[in-house]
Amino acid sequence: SAVISQKPSRDICQRGTSLTIQCQVDSQVTMMFWYRQQPGQSLTLIATANQGSEATYESGFVIDKFPISRPNLTFSTLTVSNMSPEDSSIYLCSVFGGRSYNEQFFGPGTRLTVL
Amino acid sequence: AQKITQTQPGMFVQEKEAVTLDCTYDTSDQSYGLFWYKQPSSGEMIFLIYQGSYDEQNATEGRYSLNFQKARKSANLVISASQLGDSAMYFCAMTRGAQKLVFGQGTRLTINP
Repeated sequence: SAVISQKPSRDICQRGTSLTIQCQVDSQVTMMFWYRQQPGQSLTLIATANQGSEATYESGFVIDKFPISRPNLTFSTLTVSNMSPEDSSIYLCSVFGGRSYNEQFFGPGTRLTVL
Repeated sequence: AQKITQTQPGMFVQEKEAVTLDCTYDTSDQSYGLFWYKQPSSGEMIFLIYQGSYDEQNATEGRYSLNFQKARKSANLVISASQLGDSAMYFCAMTRGAQKLVFGQGTRLTINP
């Protein structure tokens, strides 16, 4: 299985500020995914990050609010910009791996609270 | 569009009993994957089991098995001999497009001693 680390594990931020979340994988992967889980809700895909190209955003998510970088095949960052309390969520990155590359693994998540 | 439905918001089970968590899905794709994840209170998403739509046998991983009924579009998770540590949120998910996942709303499982 892929080993994924995320930084920070949690943070408390003031509204109007920005936070950059890092995701590191122990193997090279083509695609990395960023998900958001709002309190008491399920997971929603924010965007897909491919190395060497711009991220692909899902409906309801825009690059200005959630800029993503993918400088190499093992690393990605997600920035939550101009934060409001509604951005308080767990943010998780994920990759595919496993025996047949059909299994999707998640990082430990970043728990963000915006005051 | 793909959709996952988990109809059990919460379940309470006695320790050592088997438990079945329900999941139905809707898709027009012929090829897809079905997943179950466990989310303890820490928030991490723990991969449990995967079933491909063309897999003829039900997937098993230790105490976890996936009861895949393709015609009924159901992919229920069965946990045998439940343990106190199994208490968590459980999410069913399926692939949407190239490796993207769509999730159900989850079932909160509580194991009573």
